[in-house]
Amino acid sequence: DAKTTQPPSMDCAEGRAANLPCNHSTISGNEYVYWYRQIHSQGPQYIIHGLKNNETNEMASLIITEDRKSSTLILPHATLRDTAVYYCIASSNDYKLSFGAGTTVTVRA
Amino acid sequence: GAVVSQHPSWVICKSGTSVKIECRSLDFQATTMFWYRQFPKQSLMLMATSNEGSKATYEQGVEKDKFLINHASLTLSTLTVTSAHPEDSSFYICSAGTSYGETQYFGPGTRLLVL
Repeated sequence: DAKTTQPPSMDCAEGRAANLPCNHSTISGNEYVYWYRQIHSQGPQYIIHGLKNNETNEMASLIITEDRKSSTLILPHATLRDTAVYYCIASSNDYKLSFGAGTTVTVRA
Repeated sequence: GAVVSQHPSWVICKSGTSVKIECRSLDFQATTMFWYRQFPKQSLMLMATSNEGSKATYEQGVEKDKFLINHASLTLSTLTVTSAHPEDSSFYICSAGTSYGETQYFGPGTRLLVL
């Protein structure tokens, strides 16, 4: 599976949009981009995934560049409960997920 | 939907004993389940992939005789840590995937402390 690169940490203000970047320049055509988050001492929570097109659900939006080499997860209105480690993962059809260090997002009041 | 449970949520045991952790998909059938381990301040590491009715596939460096995995039904997989030692103390997390979708859903995790 392709390696992904994320900033180690970022802060954002409560009520504002949080834009989390991810680079996956070696992603192959059959690899999806997945986003999960892990709140302290809990199992990871699925957020969203996509292949080529932008995706939106009740939690977030996923914007994938046309060349698929990078993507951005958007939390439209961050709350304090969105404080977590966010993981961007590229995975092919075997659905195995390789977790990197992720981005530690801290939402501040 | 897509809820995965684990039991127990935490366990303390003596060195040398065996511990069994259950992972259940509550509202869907999981043809594939995955077991991960997470040490403090580290990311999740995949231990093994478990398919219903067949032997688990272990990642490199994971001892299959120490970490026994059984996936007897489409809703239950178990991980048994045999002859546990203090270095096995960790956060064990399972995930389950459906047969029709590409998404894995994770359980809440089991914290194991071996004394």
